[in-house]
Amino acid sequence: GESVGLHLPTLSVQEGDNSIINCAYSNSASDYFIWYKQESGKGPQFIIDIRSNMDKRQGQRVTVLLNKTVKHLSLQIAATQPGDSAVYFCAESAGGTSYGKLTFGQGTILTVHP
Amino acid sequence: AAGVIQSPRHLIKEKRETATLKCYPIPRHDTVYWYQQGPGQDPQFLISFYEKMQSDKGSIPDRFSAQQFSDYHSELNMSSLELGDSALYFCASSPRVARGFFGPGTRLTVL
Repeated sequence: GESVGLHLPTLSVQEGDNSIINCAYSNSASDYFIWYKQESGKGPQFIIDIRSNMDKRQGQRVTVLLNKTVKHLSLQIAATQPGDSAVYFCAESAGGTSYGKLTFGQGTILTVHP
Repeated sequence: AAGVIQSPRHLIKEKRETATLKCYPIPRHDTVYWYQQGPGQDPQFLISFYEKMQSDKGSIPDRFSAQQFSDYHSELNMSSLELGDSALYFCASSPRVARGFFGPGTRLTVL
């Protein structure tokens, strides 16, 4: 079936660096994309989302880029902090009445070294 | 702000036993989603409910059933438990046509 996947399973950065986490998706019908942060033993925490009619969206220290031509999604974290260390998942849905029916990617472990 | 409540937070069962997981959505959220996350895996969608009716179904085993009640809380019933059912089970809630907010999860261990 259709799925969302990540290129890199782990990413290690130094505190203060910028981090980029990538995600490839295969369902061209996906209308809605989300990035989640998950700390050990906790539920996914919303970071930022983007609709398919946009190619960029910015939040506080985070930016999501969507390239529909190559079906690629990325999360940029500026001035990465140790508290950003977690597993990051991208997820997609068809939107509409199925906003919350998400297909998750594999997850990238981000480790931030002080 | 109120969040999604899941109970119990931890549950240990033997093989072939049954388990019931509960989810209490954020007030005024009428849609509930259940996800299963195995060790080192990404969350997998199981099932969702809107206004007490099943709205979407994912990779939920036939041994599992779920329902949403009149107060919008939801229960996931799991029978004939297998070792492979050991996982984190997340519930998310949302208003209709909006993103879901995840609960803290229930960690189920099947021995």
